[in-house]
Amino acid sequence: EAGVAQSPRYKIIEKRQSVAFWCNPISGHATLYWYQQILGQGPKLLIQFQNNGVVDDSQLPKDRFSAERLKGVDSTLKIQPAKLEDSAVYLCASRRGQGEGADTQYFGPGTRLTVL
Amino acid sequence: KQEVTQIPAALSVPEGENLVLNCSFTDSAIYNLQWFRQDPGKGLTSLLLIQSSQREQTSGRLNASLDKSSGRSTLYIAASQPGDSATYLCAVIDSGYALNFGKGTSLLVTP
Repeated sequence: EAGVAQSPRYKIIEKRQSVAFWCNPISGHATLYWYQQILGQGPKLLIQFQNNGVVDDSQLPKDRFSAERLKGVDSTLKIQPAKLEDSAVYLCASRRGQGEGADTQYFGPGTRLTVL
Repeated sequence: KQEVTQIPAALSVPEGENLVLNCSFTDSAIYNLQWFRQDPGKGLTSLLLIQSSQREQTSGRLNASLDKSSGRSTLYIAASQPGDSATYLCAVIDSGYALNFGKGTSLLVTP
């Protein structure tokens, strides 16, 4: 079974520029999460999707961050415009939601964003 | 708001030692608790998931326990090896299945 795929792995941009990250979850996983991990911290949930609907986006800075999950599979996370404090690793995770191993979240390798 | 604390923040031990990593949380109304490993520049690897009705889970040299009433979990690593060097993250899962993470314990096992 292929794992969670993310791209790009690294991105360097200037502040006020835009950036987009892509995530492809494990096949058949209904729930998809985006987390932000700042250096030295644990990951923080940004948004949670169930199929193509948003379950929780309470910690997403909606003035600059947006996310979508078209057709309930792939997802993109966008930042526009970026700020210095957005420098972090952005992790995507997915969860099956039913059956054996339903509750375990599987993480992708992350995208490391540096904002200069 | 759920707060998750991990102690110690960093730990260095010689190879072969048994060790314990601690995790505490403020709200005992959790759904599950999950321990992860994170290697530098890599994503998170799930080690153990303990459901709220369980007291412990074991996988190889790893054993995780959960005491909901006291808001604590421990990860026990037996006979540590240099390959165990990584950051270990504890995450509490709420009813919405979102993870609330601690800051992690950075473990170094020296040969």
